Amino acid sequence: DAMVIQNPRYQVTQFGKPVTLSCSQTLNHNVMYWYQQKSSQAPKLLFHYYDKDFNNEADTPDNFQSRRPNTSFCFLDIRSPGLGDAAMYLCATSPPRMTKPQHFGDGTRLSIL
Amino acid sequence: DAKTTQPNSMESNEEEPVHLPCNHSTISGTDYIHWYRQLPSQGPEYVIHGLTSNVNNRMASLAIAEDRKSSTLILHRATLRDAAVYYCAQGIKAAGYKLTFGGGTRVLVKP
Repeated sequence: DAMVIQNPRYQVTQFGKPVTLSCSQTLNHNVMYWYQQKSSQAPKLLFHYYDKDFNNEADTPDNFQSRRPNTSFCFLDIRSPGLGDAAMYLCATSPPRMTKPQHFGDGTRLSIL
Repeated sequence: DAKTTQPNSMESNEEEPVHLPCNHSTISGTDYIHWYRQLPSQGPEYVIHGLTSNVNNRMASLAIAEDRKSSTLILHRATLRDAAVYYCAQGIKAAGYKLTFGGGTRVLVKP
């Protein structure tokens, strides 16, 4: 089945130690998204790529960066994680048209020690 | 900024219908209304979406108000597997499109 895969499912890092989360897709979708979801809250969009075009949300901290080396892969880099960055990070993909839904991975739960 | 509001929680009995409301008073004419649901430790799962007309699929129905400032997701016969958090979201055109989620409604289904 075509899908969105996030690795790892659980990630533990130390305060201030850079961490990278990965996402891959077999759907061949143009658009890839990264969301942050804190406990008991809704997903919040951090940024998205339309092909190689990077689109940052205005309130996304500079501490969060992303790379998309090809259509299938996208990475979320947190340069200096703080305790407030502990959350579930969700990757999603979609075609560019709003008439098509987004497809989500099962997320990476990030813990900060 | 898009603002979408939902009740925090709703309860239903098994095999009864569930009506989940969503207010999206700032919606623009080209924004779609999407619904997703999320089980614990899983990513959101697409349920249904629409623009102006009511929509039906195998999972649910979506009723959209004439002024588009509100919508209702209808689960026709709730099962225990329908217990989840249901999110209403506005699909906003932006280099493709992006979703702005409401706070979600936790649905409890009682046997």
